Amino acid sequence: EVHLVESGGGLVQPGGSLRLSCAASGFTFTNNWMSWLRQAPGKGLEWLANINEDGSRKYYADSVKGRFTTSIDNGKNSLSLQMNSLRVEDTAVYYCARLFFGDVRYFDYWGQGTVVTVSS
Amino acid sequence: DIVMTQTPLSSPVTLGQSASISCRSSQSLVHSSGNTYLSWLQQRPGQPPRLLIYKVSNRLSGVPDRFSGSGAGTDFTLTISRVEAEDVGVYYCMQSTLWYTFGQGTKLEIK
Repeated sequence: EVHLVESGGGLVQPGGSLRLSCAASGFTFTNNWMSWLRQAPGKGLEWLANINEDGSRKYYADSVKGRFTTSIDNGKNSLSLQMNSLRVEDTAVYYCARLFFGDVRYFDYWGQGTVVTVSS
Repeated sequence: DIVMTQTPLSSPVTLGQSASISCRSSQSLVHSSGNTYLSWLQQRPGQPPRLLIYKVSNRLSGVPDRFSGSGAGTDFTLTISRVEAEDVGVYYCMQSTLWYTFGQGTKLEIK
């Protein structure tokens, strides 16, 4: 059974940094793209980043480009999101998800999410 | 960016009746491959989103056949037949033809 578990969320001041992790079980990152998405309080969903199976290709939403970096550790079957220069508007639940990519394109497995609060 | 607009934003439904949610995209979702990458997700209270339907009308394995998707081009519909209490939540359409954007969400509630 596939499980994704995010960790690393918390309270951080504007301008600060935070590193999120996503541990996967039930499948390997090999031959899988992974993604980060977020949901601000009471708001909808926003895609943030994609990374391919070996980390050689990464894509970011304009809202986080230059501030957030995702990476993959195949040995640990884990994914991370380094978030720098955080803003109040980055406050959200952050999800990792598997991106099923090919003839279809969808996020088929999601973690439970980790809460990031940016506030002074 | 492709903007996804859902209507209604709230849908009170009687148990056993049907509900329909509309989703309109700001441009055609037909990809150069010929595929239309429009999905529907359900988010129950306190839960992460769950994929229900992909490529307009394909149900993911395990999704009840009460859920059906239709549409083409820029106009799409999710229909939930014989609504049950467990269907309460927020439903999102999502396009993945050009990057990934979501509708605002439609809250399904029981009358």
